[in-house]
Amino acid sequence: KQEVTQIPAALSVPEGENLVLNCSFTDSAIYNLQWFRQDPGKGLTSLLLIQSSQREQTSGRLNASLDKSSGRSTLYIAASQPGDSATYLCAVGQYSGGGADGLTFGKGTHLIIQP
Amino acid sequence: KAGVTQTPRYLIKTRGQQVTLSCSPISGHRSVSWYQQTPGQGLQFLFEYFSETQRNKGNFPGRFSGRQFSNSRSEMNVSTLELGDSALYLCASSLAGPAGATNTEAFFGQGTRLTVV
Repeated sequence: KQEVTQIPAALSVPEGENLVLNCSFTDSAIYNLQWFRQDPGKGLTSLLLIQSSQREQTSGRLNASLDKSSGRSTLYIAASQPGDSATYLCAVGQYSGGGADGLTFGKGTHLIIQP
Repeated sequence: KAGVTQTPRYLIKTRGQQVTLSCSPISGHRSVSWYQQTPGQGLQFLFEYFSETQRNKGNFPGRFSGRQFSNSRSEMNVSTLELGDSALYLCASSLAGPAGATNTEAFFGQGTRLTVV
């Protein structure tokens, strides 16, 4: 059974710092990995999707990397801003048997950017 | 382009009742998945529908069911509600198969907050 772990569980940094969020997964037979952000009481906003054949994806100040063989992904946020404060979730997609399993999520990293 | 729409946003129900939640996917998306989010368990996969057929189901009791209509809109139903069913229920749509199958991106709605008292 796939397990996804996110470290750290919580992080508080001053505005302007660059930071890295970590995600690890136990089964490397994945189709893709997706990073989301979730604001309190809200749904999930997709940030980046990395397909299993890719090593990284970039969007603005965000860069996500994937090392499938070691079961790791990182989300790099450059020049952090207070508006980046949210919970960041990592999710992997995979097949098993005759169908897709749906996404398996980590518990998230709760990020606070101090003004 | 409209996003994923879930209704209602909030619900309060009594133990033993049943509830139906609705999800309208992004236009053109044929895959709809449902997830339950709780503080203790995080986000857990409930089931996925594609072209009106349930293709996969997570590890939830039979009280949780769903369906998909020909216009790709989906509903999920929970019967005989328990206190532990209180959660945020999220719906995700993707272009073809579910995100895990076809490498397509999953887009989530704002969720329905269900409180069982």
